[in-house]
Amino acid sequence: QKEVEQNSGPLSVPEGAIASLNCTYSDRGSQSFFWYRQYSGKSPELIMFIYSNGDKEDGRFTAQLNKASQYVSLLIRDSQPSDSATYLCAVNSYSGAGSYQLTFGKGTKLSVIP
Amino acid sequence: DAGVIQSPRHEVTEMGQEVTLRCKPISGHDYLFWYRQTMMRGLELLIYFNNNVPIDDSGMPEDRFSAKMPNASFSTLKIQPSEPRDSAVYFCASSLLAGSYNEQFFGPGTRLTVL
Repeated sequence: QKEVEQNSGPLSVPEGAIASLNCTYSDRGSQSFFWYRQYSGKSPELIMFIYSNGDKEDGRFTAQLNKASQYVSLLIRDSQPSDSATYLCAVNSYSGAGSYQLTFGKGTKLSVIP
Repeated sequence: DAGVIQSPRHEVTEMGQEVTLRCKPISGHDYLFWYRQTMMRGLELLIYFNNNVPIDDSGMPEDRFSAKMPNASFSTLKIQPSEPRDSAVYFCASSLLAGSYNEQFFGPGTRLTVL
């Protein structure tokens, strides 16, 4: 059973601070890792993905991957109230027949306090 | 493109009734996924299709659930008979490919309430 674990939160940070969201996964064969943002009552939307060890930056967002530790994180710099949402970590693993499946964590709820 | 389209957006039904959820994927996307989201279990993959063919239905909870994709632009998820524990938000997603780095685009979801 492939598992993806996240702290459910809520994680509260003041506006302008760095928010750090963490995720661990069980399948060592996982090849790529995604962060989705989900506003209350809305559908998940992709923020970024990473597949190589190290850091990947996109604007205020930085994804970090450590495959040896089976750990992936998302940093949000200069947090804004509009970043308040649930962040879902998703892990892509080979499922056979030439295709891949995403396994999602339950999400971390982030609240940015003005 | 309009994105992934789902209908209805909300469905309230009584236990024992049949429920049909509908999805239109993004044009040109070869893969279609059905997910269920609850507070307790998070977002779970139910079934996915490649070129209209079901590839993996191991996530379908039981025989009461069935899914079809008669053509590239339409899929249905049916629950018969429905039970209160089926209450959840059901999302349809599509992707161009199913490679390791491929993005899935989600529809707005159908919020199902079974009384």
